[in-house]
Amino acid sequence: EVQLVQSGAEVKKSGESLKISCKASGYSFTNYWIGWVRQLPGKDLEYMGIIYPDDSDTTYSLSFQGQVTISADRSISTAYLQWSSLKASDSATYYCVRTAGLSKGMDAWGPGTTVIVSS
Amino acid sequence: QSALTQPASVSGSPGQSITISCTGTSSDVGGYNYVSWYQQYPGKAPKLILYDVTDRPSGISNRFSGSKSGNTASLTISGLQAEDEGDYYCSSFTKTTSLGVLFGGGTTLTVL
Repeated sequence: EVQLVQSGAEVKKSGESLKISCKASGYSFTNYWIGWVRQLPGKDLEYMGIIYPDDSDTTYSLSFQGQVTISADRSISTAYLQWSSLKASDSATYYCVRTAGLSKGMDAWGPGTTVIVSS
Repeated sequence: QSALTQPASVSGSPGQSITISCTGTSSDVGGYNYVSWYQQYPGKAPKLILYDVTDRPSGISNRFSGSKSGNTASLTISGLQAEDEGDYYCSSFTKTTSLGVLFGGGTTLTVL
C-alpha cells in the first residue's frame, strides 16, 4: 500500500525557519515525483513544486520560487519542504503528493501538515 | 496565475446526475488533455478521482466521468449518493511560464 506519512503540526513565529517532512513507503521512492501542495484556510489549493528523488531534479511554481526549498533523501525515502524565514501568510496545510508526472495527476496524498505562523 | 474557474457550489438529489465545470484557457485546460479531478472530505486530504480528462484510477467508481470541450473540462457524477457530498477540485497541467499545475477554486457538492 502506498503511504505518505507527514510530520506533525507546527506553531511558529514570523521569521523562524521550518522544515517539514514526508516519508514514503509501499513503492519505489525513486521512480515517482514527490510534490507539495498548499491549502489555505479558505480551501484554495496551490501547487508549489516537485522533486524527482532519483536525481533531485526540482521545479518550482513561480509563486513559490525563492520562497521555499524542496529536497529529498532517497536513503530514507523522505522528502522535505523548508522555509528560511516564515511569514504569517505561510499559515496553511501542506500536503505532499506522489505523481508519475505533472500531466498524470497526483495519485497519493499525505494527510497534511498544518503550519500556523504568528506575527 | 489565476486559478481555474469552478462554480462555488452544486447540489442534487440521490440518484440524479450533476456536472461540475472547470474553465481555463488555451494555455492550460484547452491546450492539453491533462485535466485531473480530486474529491475532498472535510478534514481529509484530497483524493484523485479522474486524470487525463477521462481516466479513472483503480478503485474509483464508474459513476464518475470526465469530458472536455475547448477550454472547459467537466466532471459528471451519475447516480448521486450521500457519500458523494464533499468538495471537488479540478487541476490542469500548464506550461505558461514554467512547468506546473493550476487548480480550480473548488466546488462544494451537496446531496439533498
